[in-house]
Amino acid sequence: DAGVIQSPRHEVTEMGQEVTLRCKPISGHNSLFWYRQTMMRGLELLIYFNNNVPIDDSGMPEDRFSAKMPNASFSTLKIQPSEPRDSAVYFCASSQRGGGSNEQFFGPGTRLTVL
Amino acid sequence: SQKIEQNSEALNIQEGKTATLTCNYTNYSPAYLQWYRQDPGRGPVFLLLIRENEKEKRKERLKVTFDTTLKQSLFHITASQPADSATYLCALDKGNYGQNFVFGPGTRLSVLP
Repeated sequence: DAGVIQSPRHEVTEMGQEVTLRCKPISGHNSLFWYRQTMMRGLELLIYFNNNVPIDDSGMPEDRFSAKMPNASFSTLKIQPSEPRDSAVYFCASSQRGGGSNEQFFGPGTRLTVL
Repeated sequence: SQKIEQNSEALNIQEGKTATLTCNYTNYSPAYLQWYRQDPGRGPVFLLLIRENEKEKRKERLKVTFDTTLKQSLFHITASQPADSATYLCALDKGNYGQNFVFGPGTRLSVLP
């Protein structure tokens, strides 16, 4: 299995531009999570989905952030318009709900820099 | 307010010794607690989960304890090796059958040869 796949791995954009981050979870997993990691705030949960349905988006910082999961094998996190304070590493993770350990498998992350 | 603290930002120990990392929390009532390892430039990797009714869990050289009275978990690495050098994160579930985890700030462990 290839694990969780994220693209792009690095993104540099200018303030005000739209940014779309992509994630392909592990096949067969039914839960998907989006996290943001910064030195100041650590690893924060933004939103998670069960069976493609958003369950908790209370971590999404503002209306500028939106996430979708149109099917079991694909999710996007969009920031529009982007701001310098959005610069961070964004991780996608997936898990098998009811799998006992609730182990989350993380992707390699997307390092976003907003100038 | 709710808070998760991990003992120190960085911990240096000598190879072969036991590393002990702590995770303390306030105003949470987790049913689960997990430990993850994160290497630079990579996503966290799951190590162990311990439930509120379990006092201790072991996996090879790793041992985790969970004291719900003290609101604390201890993570031990015995016979530490330089390859154990990484950042270690604890994570608590916030409810909803353990789907929503909140992570601690992490402790950066360096094992010196």
